[in-house]
Amino acid sequence: EAGVAQSPRYKIIEKRQSVAFWCNPISGHATLYWYQQILGQGPKLLIQFQNNGVVDDSQLPKDRFSAERLKGVDSTLKIQPAKLEDSAVYLCASSPGQWLNTIYFGEGSWLTVV
Amino acid sequence: GDSVTQMEGPVTLSEEAFLTINCTYTATGYPSLFWYVQYPGEGLQLLLKATKADDKGSNKGFEATYRKETTSFHLEKGSVQVSDSAVYFCALLSSNTGKLIFGQGTTLQVKP
Repeated sequence: EAGVAQSPRYKIIEKRQSVAFWCNPISGHATLYWYQQILGQGPKLLIQFQNNGVVDDSQLPKDRFSAERLKGVDSTLKIQPAKLEDSAVYLCASSPGQWLNTIYFGEGSWLTVV
Repeated sequence: GDSVTQMEGPVTLSEEAFLTINCTYTATGYPSLFWYVQYPGEGLQLLLKATKADDKGSNKGFEATYRKETTSFHLEKGSVQVSDSAVYFCALLSSNTGKLIFGQGTTLQVKP
């Protein structure tokens, strides 16, 4: 079974530029998550989708971050404009359902903002 | 709200030493508990899990027991290897919100 796919793996941009990350979850998984992991910290949930609807985006900085999952399958996370403090690993994850299911992570997209 | 606290690292051990990484949690309801591992340059991998009190999760020689009375889920391994060097994250999946909440991670370094 294929895992959670993410791209690009690595990205370096200048502050105030924009960047987009793509995620394809495990086939059949209804729930998709985007996490931000800053170096030395645990991952922090940015947004959670159930199919193509947003379940929780309370910690998404909506002035600069946006995410969509239009067809309920793959998803895109965008940052515009980027700040230095956005340097982090952006982890996409998926699970079969919303409650009490194991969550599986992709390898992450490593962002450096200079 | 729900939270997870892990022992601070880094933890440095010699090969074949016994490993314990402490994890305690605060949660309402009946969370599921997980250990994830992150090897250098890689994403998070599920190491083991336990879904109810007194359950023991195990994988690759690692074990952790869900202790409701002490709200703990300590990770143990009897004999570590250099290849176990990684960052280990304890996490809980809230039965109320469905959120996966992580501890801050503990770096393990195993020396030959």
